[in-house]
Amino acid sequence: GENVEQHPSTLSVQEGDSAVIKCTYSDSASNYFPWYKQELGKRPQLIIDIRSNVGEKKDQRIAVTLNKTAKHFSLHITETQPEDSAVYFCAARTGFQKLVFGTGTRLLVSP
Amino acid sequence: DAGVTQSPTHLIKTRGQQVTLRCSPKSGHDTVSWYQQALGQGPQFIFQYYEEEERQRGNFPDRFSGHQFPNYSSELNVNALLLGDSALYLCASSLGGTNTGELFFGEGSRLTVL
Repeated sequence: GENVEQHPSTLSVQEGDSAVIKCTYSDSASNYFPWYKQELGKRPQLIIDIRSNVGEKKDQRIAVTLNKTAKHFSLHITETQPEDSAVYFCAARTGFQKLVFGTGTRLLVSP
Repeated sequence: DAGVTQSPTHLIKTRGQQVTLRCSPKSGHDTVSWYQQALGQGPQFIFQYYEEEERQRGNFPDRFSGHQFPNYSSELNVNALLLGDSALYLCASSLGGTNTGELFFGEGSRLTVL
């Protein structure tokens, strides 16, 4: 069935460093790839998304890249800040508006 | 503009009991999807309702059932609760007419089964 793999499971960086989280999806029909940030006890919040007809998208310190051939997509956060600390989930839309999520990456940004 | 609202926020049940969770979608949205998020894991798709019908279903047993009302709000019912049903249950709303667009999540209902 559909599957999304996400790495790493935990990521520790110093404030100001960059962070990269990578995901691989299995369903070649997937056409939409959102990234969510989830703080402890809170709902997932969309931080950036990319559609299959675009290779890269940037929003201030956050960027996402998509390689459809390899079925890879990645989240890049530059100039990390302590408030970026959270769990990040990638997802791929497969079927009609159904999201398959990765297993999450716990990002810790140390001051 | 109210976002997605869910109730109750927290509840505790015992094994074998039944539970009903409720969701009101974001204004203007007509599609509701339910996800189960176990501790330390990503959300897992349970099912989706559009035009008061179940349109898609994930890999969950028949103990999980749902309903969508004419005002687009939705309920998730779980019968014969198991310890493993303890999780955060998330409702997400969207516009169902096309296969595009963002999903908006509610704050979730945290279910504990003892």
